[in-house]
Amino acid sequence: GQQVMQIPQYQHVQEGEDFTTYCNSSTTLSNIQWYKQRPGGHPVFLIQLVKSGEVKKQKRLTFQFGEAKKNSSLHITATQTTDVGTYFCADQAGTALIFGKGTTLSVSS
Amino acid sequence: DTGVSQDPRHKITKRGQNVTFRCDPISEHNRLYWYRQTLGQGPEFLTYFQNEAQLEKSRLLSDRFSAERPKGSFSTLEIQRTEQGDSAMYLCASSLEKGMFETQYFGPGTRLLVL
Repeated sequence: GQQVMQIPQYQHVQEGEDFTTYCNSSTTLSNIQWYKQRPGGHPVFLIQLVKSGEVKKQKRLTFQFGEAKKNSSLHITATQTTDVGTYFCADQAGTALIFGKGTTLSVSS
Repeated sequence: DTGVSQDPRHKITKRGQNVTFRCDPISEHNRLYWYRQTLGQGPEFLTYFQNEAQLEKSRLLSDRFSAERPKGSFSTLEIQRTEQGDSAMYLCASSLEKGMFETQYFGPGTRLLVL
């Protein structure tokens, strides 16, 4: 079945450093959605990317969708302690979301 | 709070017992989804409803699992004869169907522990 791979699994940064998580698939992705899950919380929708090569920004967060629609990335500039959590990408395969395993970000001040 | 709500938030049960979880979606949303999440994994799709019709079920949904959405509003997920492997977070999400792409909004989840 379709799989969405995310790397790295874990990332620790010092506050103020940048952070990037990557999402890859061997098959073409229909659309990529990014979610953030705080420790003990539930997934919260961040953004959706639909078009090949699309780039969207939300304050310090930059989301990209690859030209071939087989990969996506989330980049956070100048991390803050509030960025702590697990970031998931998900492909919408029909109606269901197929999630990657996520990248867990920890930030030390 | 007009978000997705789930009840109970936590459930501890003994192996072999039946459990039932409830999900109340965002009021105008016609689609409702159930996912399961275990530690270190992303949510895995179980089933979804459009209004009261259950349109898709994952292979993960064994015969011991049943879900209903009788009036197209709230939904219940029942697990019969629970097993230790059923221990997980059960997440409900809802969305409003609008064309090809839609946003799913997740509830806080029900954390199940089977002893």
